[in-house]
Amino acid sequence: EIVMTQSPATLSVSPGERATLSCRASQSVSSNLAWYQQKPGQAPRLLIYGASTRATGIPARFSGSGSGTEFTLTISSLQSEDFAVYYCQQCNNWPWTFGQGTKVEIK
Amino acid sequence: QVQLVESGGGVVQPGRSLRLSCAASGFPFSNYGMHWVRQAPGKGLEWVAVIWYDGSNNYYADSVKGRFTISRDNSKNTLYLQMNSLRVEDTAVYYCTRASLDGSAYSFDCWGQGTLVTVSS
Repeated sequence: EIVMTQSPATLSVSPGERATLSCRASQSVSSNLAWYQQKPGQAPRLLIYGASTRATGIPARFSGSGSGTEFTLTISSLQSEDFAVYYCQQCNNWPWTFGQGTKVEIK
Repeated sequence: QVQLVESGGGVVQPGRSLRLSCAASGFPFSNYGMHWVRQAPGKGLEWVAVIWYDGSNNYYADSVKGRFTISRDNSKNTLYLQMNSLRVEDTAVYYCTRASLDGSAYSFDCWGQGTLVTVSS
């Protein structure tokens, strides 16, 4: 099973600042990496797939990069609605596995 | 619009069974692989199971293998999860999700609202 490790566990950021979230795979997942956003009491929402492609309707301030084992989600200028938990997921090998999540909180 | 609606959750004693359903609408259900993902209270996301678009294949997480069975009825646009021999650690919100393929990249592009399963004596 591929283990996905996200860092940091919690990221404290002021509105308008840049946030950089990391995700590392225990072995290569090529570019088959997705990012999700989850707010309290809601289902996750797809942000990025294929490591760098924004899903439909996702603002341009969200961007993804990386391949192989190292991936990054960047939020260029945090808005109030962006404070949430973010998960990465590899879709390259069964079982598809999630990272443990990064909580982005207001500083 | 694309919609997934889960049902069937509730409180059940350890060792008992429960069947979850997920009604799909707004898209050609029989064209898509479907998954179950769960989230224990206050915890992260855990992938549970997948079934191929035509029901020909499936995979399970080790934590549920041999106890859970995923199935689908494409004539009814419905996904199921039969959960047997339930354990306290199976307590979670269960989401059904649609797997979308764009080029060679998969993702879960649509999620239901989730249904809560509580296993407790």
